[in-house]
Amino acid sequence: AQSVTQPDIHITVSEGASLELRCNYSYGATPYLFWYVQSPGQGLQLLLKYFSGDTLVQGIKGFEAEFKRSQSSFNLRKPSVHWSDAAEYFCAVGEADSWGKLQFGAGTQVVVTP
Amino acid sequence: DTGVSQDPRHKITKRGQNVTFRCDPISEHNRLYWYRQTLGQGPEFLTYFQNEAQLEKSRLLSDRFSAERPKGSFSTLEIQRTEQGDSAMYLCASSTRWDRGLRPQHFGDGTRLSIL
Repeated sequence: AQSVTQPDIHITVSEGASLELRCNYSYGATPYLFWYVQSPGQGLQLLLKYFSGDTLVQGIKGFEAEFKRSQSSFNLRKPSVHWSDAAEYFCAVGEADSWGKLQFGAGTQVVVTP
Repeated sequence: DTGVSQDPRHKITKRGQNVTFRCDPISEHNRLYWYRQTLGQGPEFLTYFQNEAQLEKSRLLSDRFSAERPKGSFSTLEIQRTEQGDSAMYLCASSTRWDRGLRPQHFGDGTRLSIL
């Protein structure tokens, strides 16, 4: 069965510092991978996605993620965080040959300090 | 693209009451999903529609839950005889049918259900 693990429940980062959020997945075939961000009381906004091709994908708001098949990872990065990046971040996996059901990790809460 | 719309945003009800939520997907999207998100967790899949057909239901969707999508447009999720454990955020998402790859799902802002 597929699974998604986000090892860090909570991360605190200073404004202007770099950010990396970890995501590990367990899946038998080539996964479709997503990162979503959720602000308090809001729905989820898609940051970026990986289907195939270049393993470094660029997303919105200056985020990027790198797919590493050998490590079953899809980590999210941002070189310099802004206070508005404080939110909860979810990694999700979709099945390549399905109709689109997503399995989400438990999320990482990001706090940005001045 | 007006986005996925959910109504109401918040619902407070007493245990044992019935509640119904509505989701209006992005107009050209024929796929519609319901997820449930409890505090501190990621969303969990509940059910999926392609057009008006409900093609899969999670085992999380007990017989007190029913979802419909008449005419393949908006969808409703009804919970009968609500229980404390039903308190959660109910998220709706929509996407287009994929031809080559998995189309991203676009989420609404959710309906937060609180059971007194």
